[in-house]
Amino acid sequence: DTGVSQDPRHKITKRGQNVTFRCDPISEHNRLYWYRQTLGQGPEFLTYFQNEAQLEKSRLLSNRFSAERPKGSFSTLEIQRTEQGDSAMYLCASSLSASYNSPLHFGNGTRLTVT
Amino acid sequence: QQQVKQSPQSLIVQKGGISIINCAYENTAFDYFPWYQQFPGKGPALLIAIRPDVSEKKEGRFTISFNKSAKQFSLHIMDSQPGDSATYFCAASKGTYKYIFGTGTRLKVLA
Repeated sequence: DTGVSQDPRHKITKRGQNVTFRCDPISEHNRLYWYRQTLGQGPEFLTYFQNEAQLEKSRLLSNRFSAERPKGSFSTLEIQRTEQGDSAMYLCASSLSASYNSPLHFGNGTRLTVT
Repeated sequence: QQQVKQSPQSLIVQKGGISIINCAYENTAFDYFPWYQQFPGKGPALLIAIRPDVSEKKEGRFTISFNKSAKQFSLHIMDSQPGDSATYFCAASKGTYKYIFGTGTRLKVLA
């Protein structure tokens, strides 16, 4: 169990640029989640996948955001035409199906700063 | 109805003391209540979790107390240590996905 891995750890970009983040979940976990955390707040749900299927998206996820999980392994989160309000920590988590014995395991996040 | 309200926002406790953090929820469909600990620059890490069929769960120095009728639950950290200084988040969910998190409590334990 190597944990949930996220890359990059930090990203600074100019407003209007596109950015892409990657998440590698714990290998046997079939569920993968994206959350966003702003300073002084708790994580907010963005979307989740079961295997390669994206099953739910939050209203927070504007049409500038897109997430994929090809082949049900790693996932990418892309933000197009970034805005200053997109500055946040983007957290990925994974779990093993919907078992109560398999809670969410979070990565250390990607901190995005939009200048 | 999806909110989880957490208090206090910050807490300072002497070493060896008891730290108590409270959360309240509105949605009676929630059936899983985890607590997460987060250190600066790190992702949240699961500390302890409870389901509403029990009123208390203890793991080491950490205890969750759960009051289903009041829709409240709390985290008690006994014998608090400086290494416990972190931000703590309560959460609630139906099932174990789409957690709704509280706003966090920044705990500082003085040596």
